[in-house]
Amino acid sequence: GENVEQHPSTLSVQEGDSAVIKCTYSDSASNYFPWYKQELGKGPQLIIDIRSNVGEKKDQRIAVTLNKTAKHFSLHITETQPEDSAVYFCAASMTGGFKTIFGAGTRLFVKA
Amino acid sequence: KAGVTQTPRYLIKTRGQQVTLSCSPISGHRSVSWYQQTPGQGLQFLFEYFSETQRNKGNFPGRFSGRQFSNSRSEMNVSTLELGDSALYLCASNPTGGKDTQYFGPGTRLTVL
Repeated sequence: GENVEQHPSTLSVQEGDSAVIKCTYSDSASNYFPWYKQELGKGPQLIIDIRSNVGEKKDQRIAVTLNKTAKHFSLHITETQPEDSAVYFCAASMTGGFKTIFGAGTRLFVKA
Repeated sequence: KAGVTQTPRYLIKTRGQQVTLSCSPISGHRSVSWYQQTPGQGLQFLFEYFSETQRNKGNFPGRFSGRQFSNSRSEMNVSTLELGDSALYLCASNPTGGKDTQYFGPGTRLTVL
């Protein structure tokens, strides 16, 4: 069935280093790929998204890349800061478009 | 604009009881989706409503139900609560549903004893 796999489940980096989180999806009809950041006690908040007609998108220290042929997309955070510590979720909108499938999440720790 | 609001924020129930959770979407948003979030299963889709109609449903038992009102506010109900229903229930809204960005509320933390 529809599935989104996300790796790694936990990621620990030093402040200032880069962090990369990778996701793969199963439904080739997916064409919208958002990334969410969830801080403790809060709901997920959109940080960046990409649509299938674009290969890469940047927003300051955050970038997302998409490879539709391989069916995977990645989140890149550069110059990490302690406030980047949170759980990050990737997601994909599947055929029909009315529900979003989420990856299992990556807990990112940025050590000062 | 005010964000998505969910009430109550915390809830404690006992097995066998039922519970109703409420979600008010962002003004102008007509689609509301519900998700269950647990440490073991992550974010799982429950159902989505648009213009008072359920358009899509996840793989949850019939004990989980929902509805949407004409003002786009939505409620979800869980009957005959089980211990495994303890979770954070998240509501998300977007203008039309589908491929648009979803905006999440803070969630309702349900604990079943």
